[in-house]
Amino acid sequence: AQTVTQSQPEMSVQEAETVTLSCTYDTSESDYYLFWYKQPPSRQMILVIRQEAYKQQNATENRFSVNFQKAAKSFSLKISDSQLGDAAMYFCAYRSSRSYNTDKLIFGTGTRLQVFP
Amino acid sequence: DSGVTQTPKHLITATGQRVTLRCSPRSGDLSVYWYQQSLDQGLQFLIQYYNGEERAKGNILERFSAQQFPDLHSELNLSSLELGDSALYFCASSTDPTAGVGDTQYFGPGTRLTVL
Repeated sequence: AQTVTQSQPEMSVQEAETVTLSCTYDTSESDYYLFWYKQPPSRQMILVIRQEAYKQQNATENRFSVNFQKAAKSFSLKISDSQLGDAAMYFCAYRSSRSYNTDKLIFGTGTRLQVFP
Repeated sequence: DSGVTQTPKHLITATGQRVTLRCSPRSGDLSVYWYQQSLDQGLQFLIQYYNGEERAKGNILERFSAQQFPDLHSELNLSSLELGDSALYFCASSTDPTAGVGDTQYFGPGTRLTVL
C-alpha cells in the first residue's frame, strides 16, 4: 500500500524568505500523481500544485515550486517570497494513475507553516 | 472558491442520531469523493462515486452510506452517531478520473460535525 510521510509537523519562515516543506512517499507504481494542498484557518482545502510522475520537469505555480526526485521518492514544496497569507497547514498527497483501481488521494499528516512579519 | 458546495457548514447532534451531508460537485464534474478529517486519523478517504455509481470504498464504517443522484449531487448519510464521528467531512469532485487531465480533485468547504 502507498504511504505518504511528512516529517516536519511545524515549520516557520520570515516574510519574504524562502521555505521548503518535505514529503516522501512509498509506492511500487511507476506512474502516479503528487499534490500539495493548503489548508488555511478557514479549513478549506486548496490545491497548490500538482506533479505527474512521468514528467521529469518540476512543476511551478508562481511562488510555489516542487523538487520532485522520483528515484528518492521525494516531493518537496518550495515557497519563495513567503507572505503572511501562506500561513496554513500543508498536505502532501499521492494518487495512483491506475484509474481502474481507485482514484483516492492518500494524504500525509501535514506540516503547519507559520509566517512571521 | 473551488465550485464545490457543501451543506450544512456546521452540524451539532447527539449520539445515536442520524445526519445527512450534502455535496454539489463543480459543473461538469462526474466524480465525487468523500473524505473525513479528524484529529487522530488525519485525512481519510471514505468513498467515491462516478456518474452515479459507486467506484471505490475506503475505510468507511457500515453505519455510513452515500449515494450520487442523477443530477450528480451526492449525500453522505451517517447513522448511530458516536462521539468519535466528530470530524470535518469534505467532499471533492473531479471531471473524469479515467482521463489524465481530469485527475485533480477540488474540495468543498467541508461540513463540521460535532456529536455530543
